[in-house]
Amino acid sequence: KAGVTQTPRYLIKTRGQQVTLSCSPISGHRSVSWYQQTPGQGLQFLFEYFSETQRNKGNFPGRFSGRQFSNSRSEMNVSTLELGDSALYLCASSPGTRNTEAFFGQGTRLTVV
Amino acid sequence: AQTVTQSQPEMSVQEAETVTLSCTYDTSESDYYLFWYKQPPSRQMILVIRQEAYKQQNATENRFSVNFQKAAKSFSLKISDSQLGDAAMYFCAYRARYNNNDMRFGAGTRLTVKP
Repeated sequence: KAGVTQTPRYLIKTRGQQVTLSCSPISGHRSVSWYQQTPGQGLQFLFEYFSETQRNKGNFPGRFSGRQFSNSRSEMNVSTLELGDSALYLCASSPGTRNTEAFFGQGTRLTVV
Repeated sequence: AQTVTQSQPEMSVQEAETVTLSCTYDTSESDYYLFWYKQPPSRQMILVIRQEAYKQQNATENRFSVNFQKAAKSFSLKISDSQLGDAAMYFCAYRARYNNNDMRFGAGTRLTVKP
C-alpha cells in the first residue's frame, strides 16, 4: 500500500499570499488530519476531516481552512500568509471511525518571506 | 484538557545499550490510546509503538517496549540494543478513543546514539 502523500514538499511564499497544500491518504482511510509543526510550538492540531466533513478543529485563526473530497484526498489552505505561518505541515490519515493510530506523510515545508 | 509532557529534551545512548524515554500525560478520559512516534531528519513521523489504555499488558515491538502505568499516567519507551538508526526525535502522543479525537503530542526528546 502506498503511504500518505503530501505535495508539494517545499514551498516558498510571500507575506499576504495564499497557499494550498495537498494530502492523499492511505487507500481506504477516511480520516485525514492536519498538524503544524514549529520549533517553538511543537506539533499542533489544525483540523480533521472524515467523510468530507470537518469533525474536529484546533485553535487556529480562520485563515486556516481545509476540505476533503469524496476520494478522501484533502487540501488545506492558508490565506493572507504571515511570517509566523512558516512551518512544517503534516498530514495524517487514519483507518476509520474509531480513533486509532495516525499514519503521517513527509510533510510540506512552508517558508513565508 | 489533555496534555502530554516529555521532560527530557535530549537523551544520549551508546550503541547496543538500553535507553528509556519518559512521558506523562493528563486526561479525564478512561479510554484512550498512547503512541510513540519517531521523526528522523527525513521529517516523516513513523509510528514506533501503540498502547491501548484498557489493556494492562505493556506493548512490545521488537527492540521497543513500553512501561504503561495508567494510575500514574505514565508511558515510557524503552529501546533495547540501540542502533545508529534509532537516532531521531521521539514524540509521545495521546488520543482519546471517542471524544476530542485530535492527537496531542509532547514536545519531543532528541535521541542521540553514539557509536
